[in-house]
Amino acid sequence: GENVEQHPSTLSVQEGDSAVIKCTYSDSASNYFPWYKQELGKGPQLIIDIRSNVGEKKDQRIAVTLNKTAKHFSLHITETQPEDSAVYFCSRSGGSNYKLTFGKGTLLTVNP
Amino acid sequence: NAGVTQTPKFQVLKTGQSMTLQCAQDMNHEYMSWYRQDPGMGLRLIHYSVGAGITDQGEVPNGYNVSRSTTEDFPLRLLSAAPSQTSVYFCASSYSTGDGYTFGSGTRLTVV
Repeated sequence: GENVEQHPSTLSVQEGDSAVIKCTYSDSASNYFPWYKQELGKGPQLIIDIRSNVGEKKDQRIAVTLNKTAKHFSLHITETQPEDSAVYFCSRSGGSNYKLTFGKGTLLTVNP
Repeated sequence: NAGVTQTPKFQVLKTGQSMTLQCAQDMNHEYMSWYRQDPGMGLRLIHYSVGAGITDQGEVPNGYNVSRSTTEDFPLRLLSAAPSQTSVYFCASSYSTGDGYTFGSGTRLTVV
């Protein structure tokens, strides 16, 4: 199916540490994997995405990796800052439908 | 360029009432969708549209109707509100199915 499993559901780190959020998917036709950040009271905001023809993508302190064989992808945040505290969602789309399916989210707390 | 605009931001309905949640985008995006967000459930797709005149059901369509008469607007109609429809509703749009979404700021709906 189109389900996406996301772990962990909560993550607490010290400022300056790294944070990793992992997602797995089941639909082998999935070919687009965006990540969203949602701050309290706001809508989700796209922070980085990766397509199935790429194994890794980096944007400053944020990176995403994709393992198509294992059907999992991960978000890596280095040198975390308090403003990184938010809920992060992984998602996927692809195949014969146009639906973007989301994981259930990870609440990241960066402690100063 | 306002992005995705949702109105109203807050709404309280009585059981059985009907209402329309408005969504408009000014980015000439073909793809629009509606999600509901509930605690611990992530973002679940209600309905989506791949262009004017074309709509389809998502994961949780029961109790909701949509139409897409123009590229810009994608209203969501609650026909007879129920307490189970208490949620935060997000409208999102993208240029194509393989692009990241732009989300609105959400409508918080309470049905009593």
